Amino acid sequence: GNSVTQMEGPVTLSEEAFLTINCTYTATGYPSLFWYVQYPGEGLQLLLKATKADDKGSNKGFEATYRKETTSFHLEKGSVQVSDSAVYFCALSDSNNNDMRFGAGTRLTVKP
Amino acid sequence: DAGITQSPRHKVTETGTPVTLRCHQTENHRYMYWYRQDPGHGLRLIHYSYGVKDTDKGEVSDGYSVSRSKTEDFLLTLESATSSQTSVYFCATWQGANYGYTFGSGTRLTVV
Repeated sequence: GNSVTQMEGPVTLSEEAFLTINCTYTATGYPSLFWYVQYPGEGLQLLLKATKADDKGSNKGFEATYRKETTSFHLEKGSVQVSDSAVYFCALSDSNNNDMRFGAGTRLTVKP
Repeated sequence: DAGITQSPRHKVTETGTPVTLRCHQTENHRYMYWYRQDPGHGLRLIHYSYGVKDTDKGEVSDGYSVSRSKTEDFLLTLESATSSQTSVYFCATWQGANYGYTFGSGTRLTVV
């Protein structure tokens, strides 16, 4: 079945550091890929998405590229801020159904 | 998200009592979901609904039941609460394969 594996956290960075959170997936067909962010005490919010191979999703300085050859969708940001501290979830949806699969989440803490 | 309201936001209940959590959406989405979020487990699907009176089990459905008598409301009931059901519960609606889910703000349930 479909599944998502993302790097375990927690990740702690200093402000303005470069961020990478790895995500790989297993899926049949042609899934859409997503990154969600969860701030403390809140629900998950869609951060960015990509619906086909080689697409790049971007939002708020974050980027991720859909790499079919490596089945990956790594999240990157060039310069993190304290306000980026949150839990990040990688997810996929199968075009044939409405079942989304989530990674376990990666907690990011950014220190001033 | 403004389109999904979960109630209550917080609840403390005693072991053995029934508990009902409510999810209300204003966007007329057909598919609705209940997840629980626990440290180290990410998000796990409890039950989902694909229309009024149409529901199905997810991966962790034991001890839970759901009902959907109207498109806008999806209720999750813990028939006899146990301490293992202490968790944060999220409701979500499906926006399509290219958009993924929209989540509510969550209900923090503590069973003592």
